[in-house]
Amino acid sequence: GENVEQHPSTLSVQEGDSAVIKCTYSDSASNYFPWYKQELGKGPQLIIDIRSNVGEKKDQRIAVTLNKTAKHFSLHITETQPEDSAVYFCASHGSGNTGKLIFGQGTTLQVKP
Amino acid sequence: DTAVSQTPKYLVTQMGNDKSIKCEQNLGHDTMYWYKQDSKKFLKIMFSYNNKELIINETVPNRFSPKSPDKAHLNLHINSLELGDSAVYFCASSLNRGREKLFFGSGTQLSVL
Repeated sequence: GENVEQHPSTLSVQEGDSAVIKCTYSDSASNYFPWYKQELGKGPQLIIDIRSNVGEKKDQRIAVTLNKTAKHFSLHITETQPEDSAVYFCASHGSGNTGKLIFGQGTTLQVKP
Repeated sequence: DTAVSQTPKYLVTQMGNDKSIKCEQNLGHDTMYWYKQDSKKFLKIMFSYNNKELIINETVPNRFSPKSPDKAHLNLHINSLELGDSAVYFCASSLNRGREKLFFGSGTQLSVL
């Protein structure tokens, strides 16, 4: 069945450093890849997404890259700040039009001041 | 003015009881979802409704029954609660079905004793 693997499960960086989180997916028909940030006690919030016709997308300090051949995509956060500390989830949406997202296992990012 | 609101925020109950979680969105979205987040933070879709029509029904025990009286509301009723039902349940909505941004509620922490 559809599966999304996310690594690492935890990531600790110093403030100002970069953080990279990687995901691989199994369904070759997947064509939409969002990233969600979940702060403690809150619901996940979309921070960036990428569709399969694009290889890279940037939004200020956040960027996502997609390699459809290898079936993997990554989140890059530059100049990390303590408020970036949260759990980050990647997800993929397969073929069809159901809105069904398959989420990765999550990465707990800690940014140390 | 919360976009997706769910109640209650916390729910503590005994095994065997029946309970309901309510969800409302004021975004005018057509599609609503229920997700379950387990103790390891893993997010898994349970149900999705589009304009009151059930479009996603994952392998969830039939003790779980969603009800959508109108497209702004999606409630979750759980019969005969079990210990393994303890989790955080998130309601979400999107403009329509497909590859769209999900707006999550703040979650309901269910503890079954």
